[in-house]
Amino acid sequence: GESVGLHLPTLSVQEGDNSIINCAYSNSASDYFIWYKQESGKGPQFIIDIRSNMDKRQGQRVTVLLNKTVKHLSLQIAATQPGDSAVYFCAENTGRRALTFGSGTRLQVQP
Amino acid sequence: KAGVTQTPRYLIKTRGQQVTLSCSPISGHRSVSWYQQTPGQGLQFLFEYFSETQRNKGNFPGRFSGRQFSNSRSEMNVSTLELGDSALYLCASSGDRDYEQYFGPGTRLTVT
Repeated sequence: GESVGLHLPTLSVQEGDNSIINCAYSNSASDYFIWYKQESGKGPQFIIDIRSNMDKRQGQRVTVLLNKTVKHLSLQIAATQPGDSAVYFCAENTGRRALTFGSGTRLQVQP
Repeated sequence: KAGVTQTPRYLIKTRGQQVTLSCSPISGHRSVSWYQQTPGQGLQFLFEYFSETQRNKGNFPGRFSGRQFSNSRSEMNVSTLELGDSALYLCASSGDRDYEQYFGPGTRLTVT
């Protein structure tokens, strides 16, 4: 499998609990943000996005919150399942299709 | 709809050699971006192509180059390989009207 990051912060949760993954971004001019999920040996998979004119967006079992005042994003996963175990990245659009990625958080779901 | 495909999936090269990686975007997507992923530096933007033109470039040396063909397929080339070029190289495609990028599985390059 792929070693995405040797020293990633890890969030460990029990199956069925809610997970919250946080991310600080750097560019106050960024207008678009995405959360990606990356499983071992695979490329990043799109989860949910949000534009800078919004502060909350909901998807299926996931919610993204954006706080532009403190340049903070969070991803909430409801009823976390073992299949949610992966590395999660936030990304900000800093130019045309030029995404700047955060360092990632490893989510471990305990059965 | 088929996803983004990358070839080859794995590659081993020697220092000083050059390498070419290929990416086929999702049908209808004209934008292709390339990223390098390493444990130390994470995911870093290399460059983006749209309609055969490079529109944006990240902070990588000139040894890293790319091109895009009229069918939107893209290649990236790394010349004079260094050990530090060992990484997972990812390409992503997106449609004209949105920033949502869809990633391929990547090419794992190992430089020995």
